[in-house]
Amino acid sequence: AQRVTQPEKLLSVFKGAPVELKCNYSYSGSPELFWYVQHSRQRLQLLLRHISRESIKGFTADLNKGETSFHLKKPFAQEEDSAMYYCALRGSNYKLTFGKGTLLTVNP
Amino acid sequence: GAVVSQHPSRVICKSGTSVKIECRSLDFQATTMFWYRQFPKQSLMLMATSNEGSKATYEQGVEKDKFLINHASLTLSTLTVTSAHPEDSSFYICSAWTDPAGNSPLHFGNGTRLTVT
Repeated sequence: AQRVTQPEKLLSVFKGAPVELKCNYSYSGSPELFWYVQHSRQRLQLLLRHISRESIKGFTADLNKGETSFHLKKPFAQEEDSAMYYCALRGSNYKLTFGKGTLLTVNP
Repeated sequence: GAVVSQHPSRVICKSGTSVKIECRSLDFQATTMFWYRQFPKQSLMLMATSNEGSKATYEQGVEKDKFLINHASLTLSTLTVTSAHPEDSSFYICSAWTDPAGNSPLHFGNGTRLTVT
């Protein structure tokens, strides 16, 4: 079975502060991890995936197989980063399993 | 631009009636589409995998007779909520890989807000 855990339901930071959204996973095989973002009243959009190892909008995430984690980080949060963030895992069957999501609020 | 189109975006129906939601892949063929359900302020729950030309695969706990899925063509999957009840009110989202081999991210439709009165 594949499982994704996002321990924080809500995260609030001030503009310019660093932010880290936690994600842990459970999967017996070799997983592929994603972060999706959903702004208010908009569709889910891919933020980044671990295999591409790229930085999008200043966000990065490193897959740590030892800790089974894929935490999302940004050194300086912006107000427009306020959104719902979902960590997701894709197993060999191409199904995408989502965590419960973390609502990030960046205060001015 | 959007690669997955979902229709309608919002529907209100009376209890006991059936509602059909369409999911179309734009400019690509999707042999597999996924249907998710999202409750308010909660995560997406995978309901079923829609397979073109064959039966859908339902997740545990999802009633296949309640949520009928038809994937009649390579660009269209439909979800029909039969004999809808207020507890079926939810946000339904479809998705598809543009590249079934997995070299693309999963693209999502804009979702359908179903309200059963």
